[in-house]
Amino acid sequence: QLQLQESGPGLVKPSETLSLTCTVSGDSISSSIYYWGWIRQSPQKGLEWIGHIYHTGSTYYSPSLKSRVTISVDTSKNQFSLRLNSVTAADTTVYYCARLCVPMTGPCNWITPWGQGTLVTVSS
Amino acid sequence: QSVLTQPPSMSAAPGQKVTISCSGSSSNIGNNYVSWYQQLPGTAPKFLIRDNDKRPSGIPDRFSGSKSGTSATLGITGLQTGDEADYYCATWDSSLSAVVFGGGTKLTVL
Repeated sequence: QLQLQESGPGLVKPSETLSLTCTVSGDSISSSIYYWGWIRQSPQKGLEWIGHIYHTGSTYYSPSLKSRVTISVDTSKNQFSLRLNSVTAADTTVYYCARLCVPMTGPCNWITPWGQGTLVTVSS
Repeated sequence: QSVLTQPPSMSAAPGQKVTISCSGSSSNIGNNYVSWYQQLPGTAPKFLIRDNDKRPSGIPDRFSGSKSGTSATLGITGLQTGDEADYYCATWDSSLSAVVFGGGTKLTVL
């Protein structure tokens, strides 16, 4: 059964870099036809797609976050990661990793499964 | 504001039927598949509907999806108290080159 698990610091200082890792079990990132991505959720903005990556390293980012986001993949560890630079209090929210089927894959658009989510707080 | 528009809240009695709308444009719903998600309190979203109207394995047939033009709808029949949750629609926006979500609909079963 495919499962995803987020890990990383729950507290980040303003202006620093938020770093999270998603560990995938039950499937191999390198042999998957799907994309692997990050989504965050706040009471103010609801669900917000951050970006996704293919095992080849091809990435797609949210236009509103593109200047601050990097998503990378480590196929040897079956993991992918998120880095968000220059964080502010507005980046305090729950971050999910997930598997995505998106138009780059084929005529599809769905997200499953999702990790359990991890709360990241930006505070000094 | 979310790119896709959903009613913020809806309510219905147990056993009744509810339909949740999701409105977009030609750059998103009009030309891409829609998916739906259920989020119970304190949990991650759960995949309910893919490709506008297809249920993944394990999803009861009480849940249905449809799309017409630039709008999509999630239907839930035989409402149960366990259906109380937030429901979200999502699709790809070809103009933004982005996954976009609706703002979510909080369903109360009373």
